[in-house]
Amino acid sequence: NAGVTQTPKFRVLKTGQSMTLLCAQDMNHEYMYWYRQDPGMGLRLIHYSVGEGTTAKGEVPDGYNVSRLKKQNFLLGLESAAPSQTSVYFCASRNLGPDLNEQFFGPGTRLTVL
Amino acid sequence: DQQVKQNSPSLSVQEGRISILNCDYTNSMFDYFLWYKKYPAEGPTFLISISSIKDKNEDGRFTVFLNKSAKHLSLHIVPSQPGDSAVYFCAASDDMRFGAGTRLTVKP
Repeated sequence: NAGVTQTPKFRVLKTGQSMTLLCAQDMNHEYMYWYRQDPGMGLRLIHYSVGEGTTAKGEVPDGYNVSRLKKQNFLLGLESAAPSQTSVYFCASRNLGPDLNEQFFGPGTRLTVL
Repeated sequence: DQQVKQNSPSLSVQEGRISILNCDYTNSMFDYFLWYKKYPAEGPTFLISISSIKDKNEDGRFTVFLNKSAKHLSLHIVPSQPGDSAVYFCAASDDMRFGAGTRLTVKP
């Protein structure tokens, strides 16, 4: 099992450009999440999904869109990148169940917006 | 609003001693808490968790304590090892909110 994978690992964008970050998981998890990590801010939830075809907003959703067309994939889109979106982005997934609260994280995508 | 807070950005301890990392939360409805460990250039990995119906959970060198009345949890690492040097995040499971993290450095 590859677990949670993220593509790409690094990206540099110019202000106003668009891009899509891809997250894939092979654990058949229902829930998937996108976080951003900034110095001193910890991990902040951008959007999440509780199943195929569903998405919901997290703490910091502005400037991002997501889609969950397939259960194993969760895409994060930036329509018009801004320097404030320079960050490290992590995808995570977990399964359903009252005691299955552990999230599995991908290795991260480092995004720089110039 | 930060519902999960880690007020110590860093902690340095000597190898073999105890490391105590702290976390406070504001929402008394949270019923499950987790600690994650993160090395540079890697994603966080799950370390240990605790349900609100318990006040302690132990896994080898790692113990998490929960004080519901104080809305406080702590992670104890005994004995600390250099390989424990990482950033530690606490999280509340209900809405997946994370603290800002504490960077632990264990000196040989």
